[in-house]
Parts: sequence; structure tokens; C-alpha cells
Amino acid sequence: QKEVEQNSGPLSVPEGAIASLNCTYSDRGSQSFFWYRQYSGKSPELIMSIYSNGDKEDGRFTAQLNKASQYVSLLIRDSQPSDSATYLCAVNLLNQAGTALIFGKGTTLSVSS
Amino acid sequence: DTEVTQTPKHLVMGMTNKKSLKCEQHMGHRAMYWYKQKAKKPPELMFVYSYEKLSINESVPSRFSPECPNSSLLNLHLHALQPEDSALYLCASSQAPRQEETQYFGPGTRLLVL
Repeated sequence: QKEVEQNSGPLSVPEGAIASLNCTYSDRGSQSFFWYRQYSGKSPELIMSIYSNGDKEDGRFTAQLNKASQYVSLLIRDSQPSDSATYLCAVNLLNQAGTALIFGKGTTLSVSS
Repeated sequence: DTEVTQTPKHLVMGMTNKKSLKCEQHMGHRAMYWYKQKAKKPPELMFVYSYEKLSINESVPSRFSPECPNSSLLNLHLHALQPEDSALYLCASSQAPRQEETQYFGPGTRLLVL
């Protein structure tokens, strides 16, 4: 059973702080990793994708990947109340039938003003 | 433009009804997906269509029947559903069925089965 694990939270940070979200995965052959944000009652929205070891930055967001440790993280700098949402870590698995996006259970982030 | 549209937004149906969910994308994507999401849970993959052919069926009950009439459209036909099938049904698409491709989600159809 291929799994993606996240702390469900809630993770509470004050406005302006750095929020750190973590994710581990079980399939060592995984190559593609995604962070989605989901507001309550809405559909998932892509925040970042990462495929290589190291850091990838996009504005206030930085994704980090360590394939040896099977670990993916998302840092949100200068957190804003509008960042309050559930963050889903996802791994795209490839098998003979095609691709399948496997999600972690999500971490709920609350940013207080 | 990364828009995936879904209709209807909301659907209430009885256990004996037959209904269909519709998903459309005009990005030229050749892979389309159906996910089911229960409250406070992550999305769970139901079906994958690659180049209009069903490539993955994640052991979904036969009361859910997918259809891909062309490369832009994906339907999910519903028949004799159970109350536990009430959920948010999400459609997604990606450029191709490759591991590195991003999947873009539609707004979802919120289904209530009475």
C-alpha cells in the first residue's frame, strides 16, 4: 500500500510568521510531488510542484524535497490570514495502467491576525 | 488557461434516480480523472482516462459508470446510489498521463443522496 503521511494539525501561526508543513511518502520510486491548497467547500488548487532534490521557491512559498529521506515540505513565509486552508501533499505514482495522484490527509493551517 | 468546468454544482438525488455529472476542459489535455472526496478526507481516485480510454478503475462499484465521449468531455453516470455516496465529486485533467504532469481540478459537484 503506497502511502502519503501528513500531520493533520491544526497548525496555528500568527500573521507574518513562517508556516512549515511536512509530508512523508512510502514509495521510494516516486518522482513527482505536489502541494495543493484547499479552502473549505472548494476544490484543490495547485500551489507548487517539485521533482528534484532541493528547494524550489515561488513567491512566499518554498517546497523542499529530500528523496533519500522520502520527505517533502512546504514553507509559507509571511503567513497571511488568507493562507488559512487545508494543504494537501500529493504524490503522482506511475504504474502500467497510468498515473494516479495519491494524497495525504492534509494539514489544516490557521493564520491569526 | 487552466480551467476545468463541472456541472451541476450541486445535485440531490434519491436512491432510485439516474443522474450524470459532466466535466469539460478545453486545454487539449489527454488525461482526465474522477475523484471522490468525503468531508474532512483527501480526494480519492476513482477513474483515469488516458487518450479517451479508461486506464484505471480503482475498484469503484458499478453504480458509478464513467464515460469519455471525446478528448474534452468526461461524464460520470450515477445509478442506484447509496446515502454513503454523498460526497464532493472532483474532475481533473492533465496534459498527458505522465507522472510529472500537474493535475488541474474543476470546482466539483456536491452530491447528496437521500
